Amino acid sequence: GENVEQHPSTLSVQEGDSAVIKCTYSDSASNYFPWYKQELGKGPQLIIDIRSNVGEKKDQRIAVTLNKTAKHFSLHITETQPEDSAVYFCAANDLNSGGGADGLTFGKGTHLIIQP
Amino acid sequence: DTEVTQTPKHLVMGMTNKKSLKCEQHMGHRAMYWYKQKAKKPPELMFVYSYEKLSINESVPSRFSPECPNSSLLNLHLHALQPEDSALYLCASSPTGYQPQHFGDGTRLSIL
Repeated sequence: GENVEQHPSTLSVQEGDSAVIKCTYSDSASNYFPWYKQELGKGPQLIIDIRSNVGEKKDQRIAVTLNKTAKHFSLHITETQPEDSAVYFCAANDLNSGGGADGLTFGKGTHLIIQP
Repeated sequence: DTEVTQTPKHLVMGMTNKKSLKCEQHMGHRAMYWYKQKAKKPPELMFVYSYEKLSINESVPSRFSPECPNSSLLNLHLHALQPEDSALYLCASSPTGYQPQHFGDGTRLSIL
């Protein structure tokens, strides 16, 4: 199955600065890479995703880049705000999970702290 | 508010009890998922239903029994659980099995 590594485990940045979280995956057949934000007491919230036929995707202050050759993808958050503080998970679809649907394999998560 | 609704939000049960977790969505999604999340860990896939049929079972112990009675509802039946089964149980849904998954806020389960 798929294996996803995520770094760093904790990231502290000053409000207004940029934050970058990086992930690598093991299965070159994976073709879908979502990012989730999880706040305390809540379920993961999809914030952006990218498919393997695209190298970069942007949505306002959030962008994701994908390097298929190196098998890594990154989340970029610009102009960080206090409400960006949360745990962020990267994930990759596991094509070996079976027919009819893909499961997701998650990275271990990054605790992003925005310092005022 | 999430469009995937899970009930109950919290559940405390003894090891000999039988209980069920419920997940509902009314977005017309045809794939539904159960994940388990331990504290400070990522979600781990347990089961996947595609068009009301079980398509993935990630070697989950038989004390967890999923059920998908219709396209909007997903249940997880629990019996004879162990203390290590205490976790947040998350339900997700997607339009089909190959599209973005949207999560509920989970049921926090404690086994005494």
